[in-house]
Amino acid sequence: ELKVEQNPLFLSMQEGKNYTIYCNYSTTSDRLYWYRQDPGKSLESLFVLLSNGAVKQEGRLMASLDTKARLSTLHITAAVHDLSATYFCAVDTQETSGSRLTFGEGTQLTVNP
Amino acid sequence: DGGITQSPKYLFRKEGQNVTLSCEQNLNHDAMYWYRQDPGQGLRLIYYSQIVNDFQKGDIAEGYSVSREKKESFPLTVTSAQKNPTAFYLCASSMRTRNQPQHFGDGTRLSIL
Repeated sequence: ELKVEQNPLFLSMQEGKNYTIYCNYSTTSDRLYWYRQDPGKSLESLFVLLSNGAVKQEGRLMASLDTKARLSTLHITAAVHDLSATYFCAVDTQETSGSRLTFGEGTQLTVNP
Repeated sequence: DGGITQSPKYLFRKEGQNVTLSCEQNLNHDAMYWYRQDPGQGLRLIYYSQIVNDFQKGDIAEGYSVSREKKESFPLTVTSAQKNPTAFYLCASSMRTRNQPQHFGDGTRLSIL
């Protein structure tokens, strides 16, 4: 059974600080996705990581993928309040067409002034 | 605007009753998915469909049923066999080609009366 583990599950940080969220998974995969969810809302796609060593950046967020270590990271630089949300990683194990995602539990991020 | 429409936004079920959640997309996506999200948890896959008239069970299919008669539509029925249906249900769609992120609807919140 595939396990996708995120840590920390809860993260409270001050504005301006840096932090990293970790996503570990238990099976071979070279495709991993990061999503953001605001309270009571749907999921928004942030990053698509498709190979070992992939790195993507958007604003204050940077995601990377190490398929050999089965690890992805989401790094937050100089956090601002607008980044407060829950962040999910999802591993794709579909070998043919389409996708089949297994999600982590999510990291609830709160950025305090 | 292209997107995924889920309805209703809130739904209440009586004991022994089946209820159907609607999901419609106009993104011309081949693949569609249903997820369940419980408070403070990640998403779990219920059913998915890569093409019309075909669908597969996900990780928690018991007590649920689906149909895929049209490319645009993927309704989910929560049957009376699902003893703990209270949750947030999210529908998603994607291209069949690999490496494309799933796009999510706004969700339906189902509660028991």
